[in-house]
This record gives sequence, structure tokens and C-alpha cells, in this order.
Amino acid sequence: AQKITQTQPGMFVQEKEAVTLDCTYDTSDQSYGLFWYKQPSSGEMIFLIYQGSYDEQNATEGRYSLNFQKARKSANLVISASQLGDSAMYFCAMKTSYDKVIFGPGTSLSVIP
Amino acid sequence: GAGVSQSPSNKVTEKGKDVELRCDPISGHTALYWYRQSLGQGLEFLIYFQGNSAPDKSGLPSDRFSAERTGGSVSTLTIQRTQQEDSAVYLCASSSPPGTPSSIEKLFFGSGTQLSVL
Repeated sequence: AQKITQTQPGMFVQEKEAVTLDCTYDTSDQSYGLFWYKQPSSGEMIFLIYQGSYDEQNATEGRYSLNFQKARKSANLVISASQLGDSAMYFCAMKTSYDKVIFGPGTSLSVIP
Repeated sequence: GAGVSQSPSNKVTEKGKDVELRCDPISGHTALYWYRQSLGQGLEFLIYFQGNSAPDKSGLPSDRFSAERTGGSVSTLTIQRTQQEDSAVYLCASSSPPGTPSSIEKLFFGSGTQLSVL
């Protein structure tokens, strides 16, 4: 069965420090995609970053990078130089070969001044 | 419109009543998704439409839930005989057709419908 696991319900990070949010996935598909979304308290879903299963390089978008380890089936999100505005829920998601997209349970990140 | 539009933004109903939630995706997007998000929880997949293909209904929690997509555009999620446990935010998302370059491979979300069943 296809599944996304995020084992950290809550995380704290000091402002300006880096933080890694864990994500592991389970699929038998050869072709798939991995996303990270941010959901602040407003409820809006904000796209952060995307990694295709055949992409050889890890995706980066500004302060966000995705540490993709295909053999371990992990797709951890790294946020560098944390800011107070980074406090939010973070969801890892996977697009299957049939383009269905499933989400993990999320990690709540709190940035401490 | 420029984004995914959902209506109503809020819906309060009595237990046992039927409700309809509407989603208007971004023009040209062939994929449309419905998710349910209970308070403090993750996004629970409900149903997925891709073009004219048969929808993937594997996430619908019971036969009280149904969805349709007319003309490959607007979608309606219907919940019959609502129960208190149906209270949640219902999110709709759309994405561009398969084969789109990965640079724009993402879901665009609406603002959601907050459903409260009393």
C-alpha cells in the first residue's frame, strides 16, 4: 500500500538555525513525485518544493531543500536559516504513477525567537 | 478565475441533512482532487478525477459521500445524511495535465469549505 509517514508530530527550532523535517514513503511505483507543502494557521496550503523520482539532483527552492534518498525511501525537508514566519504545519506528499496524491500526517514546526 | 475556487466557504447544517460543496478548478487543469482535513489532522484523500477517466473513489469514507465532475471542470462533493463526524474542512485542489514539466508539477489548492454539522 502507498503511504507517507512523518514521525515528528512537533518540532522546535531556534530562529536562524536549520531544521530537518522527516518524511518516509512506501510505494512500489517506479515513477512518482514527492512534494512538501506548508500550512500556516490561516489554513492556506503553500507549495514549497517538488522532487521527481528520476531526478538525480536534490531539489532546492531558496531556503528549502529536499534530501532525497531513494534507496531509503526518504524525502526529508531541510529549512535553512529558520524565520519566525516558518512556524506552521508541514506536509509531505506523494504523487503516484496514476497521478493520485496522498499526504502524510504532518509535522508542526515552531520557530523560537 | 486565477485560482481554485470553493463554495461555500462555511456551511453549518443539521445532522441528517444533505450538503453540496462546490469546486471550480483552474482553467485547463485536468486533474481535480478532494481532501478532508479534520481539526489538527492531515489531509485525508477522498476522490480524484483525471480528465474523462473514471474517478479514483478509493478514499470516500462511506456511501453517503459522492462526487461528480461535469464537463471536465466544476466538481460537486455531496454528503448525504450528514453526521457530526463529517465536520471538517473540505479542500479541493487541481493540477495541470500529465506530462507537464516538473517545474510546475504541483497541486493548487482552494481555500476550503468549513463544514459544521450540529
